[in-house]
Amino acid sequence: DSGVTQTPKHLITATGQRVTLRCSPRSGDLSVYWYQQSLDQGLQFLIQYYNGEERAKGNILERFSAQQFPDLHSELNLSSLELGDSALYFCASSGGLGELFFGEGSRLTVL
Amino acid sequence: AQSVTQPDIHITVSEGASLELRCNYSYGATPYLFWYVQSPGQGLQLLLKYFSGDTLVQGIKGFEAEFKRSQSSFNLRKPSVHWSDAAEYFCAVGAETMDSNYQLIWGAGTKLIIKP
Repeated sequence: DSGVTQTPKHLITATGQRVTLRCSPRSGDLSVYWYQQSLDQGLQFLIQYYNGEERAKGNILERFSAQQFPDLHSELNLSSLELGDSALYFCASSGGLGELFFGEGSRLTVL
Repeated sequence: AQSVTQPDIHITVSEGASLELRCNYSYGATPYLFWYVQSPGQGLQLLLKYFSGDTLVQGIKGFEAEFKRSQSSFNLRKPSVHWSDAAEYFCAVGAETMDSNYQLIWGAGTKLIIKP
């Protein structure tokens, strides 16, 4: 158990819809990272938050947004969903210069 | 720019045989190096890490990796694989960015297939 919790584990929705994925980092970790993993794109870094502030952006679409709340949990919002957004979405947390601890992921299926 | 290369997309090994997965990196300073494993449908689990000191590091599940600065490599090894080792393996470099942020730079992964 990494200590990182992601909900929901599975989500099925239709094109055009909006979903929110939630992540609770390990206790005390200030950094939260979001990744997308699909079969054809591999592991893609989306966005990082540190103590409530956006810290780095990767290949995140404009239809996607994220935030980190004062209690350090984070949410990834995906809107106007397309078939190609079907993927595993991972959250990871870190306490500083070291390893990332990953949640088990949220599997999104867009029909 | 920092980068990580895992040259093998797939590797097939017989159960009981030895394993070496290759990882090369490009980074200006002494890197933090990691190997993660991802079993099908699961999250990524840290196998081992190198920060400094002894260049041969031991990890979980019987894995080890050796940091070779002269070759910019951090290859993962296991003397005898088990069917349960079938998974995807990711090498990563921890890098400090120009704005003093910290990121992991990921390789594309190597899928390990075990032959019975």
